[in-house]
Amino acid sequence: GEDVEQSLFLSVREGDSSVINCTYTDSSSTYLYWYKQEPGAGLQLLTYIFSNMDMKQDQRLTVLLNKKDKHLSLRIADTQTGDSAIYFCAERGAGFQKLVFGTGTRLLVSP
Amino acid sequence: DVKVTQSSRYLVKRTGEKVFLECVQDMDHENMFWYRQDPGLGLRLIYFSYDVKMKEKGDIPEGYSVSREKKERFSLILESASTNQTSMYLCASSFGTSANEQFFGPGTRLTVL
Repeated sequence: GEDVEQSLFLSVREGDSSVINCTYTDSSSTYLYWYKQEPGAGLQLLTYIFSNMDMKQDQRLTVLLNKKDKHLSLRIADTQTGDSAIYFCAERGAGFQKLVFGTGTRLLVSP
Repeated sequence: DVKVTQSSRYLVKRTGEKVFLECVQDMDHENMFWYRQDPGLGLRLIYFSYDVKMKEKGDIPEGYSVSREKKERFSLILESASTNQTSMYLCASSFGTSANEQFFGPGTRLTVL
C-alpha cells in the first residue's frame, strides 16, 4: 500500500531557512500536499503541487518535487517563531479522493 | 470561509460506552472523512464518505462505524469504546474536484477510561 515518511523533529533558529523532507511510495500520486497543524487546532492546507511540476513557490514557501526519487520537500524562508507547528506531507493517488498522510514533522523555531 | 465543526473539543468516556462524534460542514462538500491522530503515527483514515448514505472503509475501520444521513453531517460511532481508542479525532471535508483540498475541523480529543 501507499506509505509516506517524514522525520519527526526539526529545530531551527529564527531567521534561518527550514527544510522539511518527505518520501512517498505511490508512483501514481497525482497531487502532493503540505499541511500545517498549530497546537490545539486542526490541519490547514499550506500548499500543494501537481505531480507534473517540479517546483512551486508561494511567498516564503518553496515546494520541490523529485518524482523519480519520490521525494518532496518544503522550504520555509526566514523562519519565524509563528512557524512552529507540525507539518504533514500527504499524497493522493490517481482516481482516489482520499489522502495518505505522513507522520508529521514537528518544527521548533527558537528566538 | 469553509467551516468544519466538530461537536466536542474534549470528551471523556468509560470503557464499553457507545460514543458519537459529530462533524458538520457548511460548504456543500461531497466528501467527508474521519481520521485519528496519534503521536508518531500521523493521521490514519478510519472511514470516508463520498455521498449521502455512502461510506467506505479507510485503513483502520475496526471498532468504528459511521453514518451520513445528510450531506453536511458525518458521524463517527464507537460502538463499545475501549482504552486503545483514546486519541485525537479529526474530521475533514472536500469537494470532488481534482485538487481535492481537504478542510479540517479543530478535532475532538477523546479519552476512554
